[in-house]
Amino acid sequence: GENVEQHPSTLSVQEGDSAVIKCTYSDSASNYFPWYKQELGKRPQLIIDIRSNVGEKKDQRIAVTLNKTAKHFSLHITETQPEDSAVYFCAATPSGIKAAGNKLTFGGGTRVLVKP
Amino acid sequence: NAGVMQNPRHLVRRRGQEARLRCSPMKGHSHVYWYRQLPEEGLKFMVYLQKENIIDESGMPKERFSAEFPKEGPSILRIQQVVRGDSAAYFCASSRDTGELFFGEGSRLTVL
Repeated sequence: GENVEQHPSTLSVQEGDSAVIKCTYSDSASNYFPWYKQELGKRPQLIIDIRSNVGEKKDQRIAVTLNKTAKHFSLHITETQPEDSAVYFCAATPSGIKAAGNKLTFGGGTRVLVKP
Repeated sequence: NAGVMQNPRHLVRRRGQEARLRCSPMKGHSHVYWYRQLPEEGLKFMVYLQKENIIDESGMPKERFSAEFPKEGPSILRIQQVVRGDSAAYFCASSRDTGELFFGEGSRLTVL
């Protein structure tokens, strides 16, 4: 099955700086890579996703890059703000394979702290 | 359109008791997934169900845990004879065929 590794486990940045989180996956059949943000005591919420037919996707201050050859993908947050403080999870799945539905395998999470 | 609804939000059980967690998917979603999150850890897949069918239960412990998604009513995750190690947040998510997973607010189980 799929295995997703995520680094770093904690990340402290100064407000206004950039934050980068990296993930690797093992299953070459994976083709859908979402990122979720989870605030303390809350549910995970999708912030951005990327499919394997593109190498980069951007949404305001958030961007995700994908290198299928190397099987790694990254989340980039620019101009960080205190409200970006949360735990971020990457995930991977071979979406489109009927038996898999959209079963996600998650990385271990990165706790991001943005210091004012 | 209400989101994924889970109840109870908090559940306290003594060792040996049973825990039942319920999940109603978003309207129009026929795929339900259960994940377990231990304190300070990531989300671990447990089981994936469609109506009346378990599709993938590769993440479910072999004993004491079971899940169902009946034709009518919510999906239920049942834990029999709970132990302290079962204390965790249990998240349910739903999706259409291959779309985004939407998570519920979770059910936090505490075993005394």
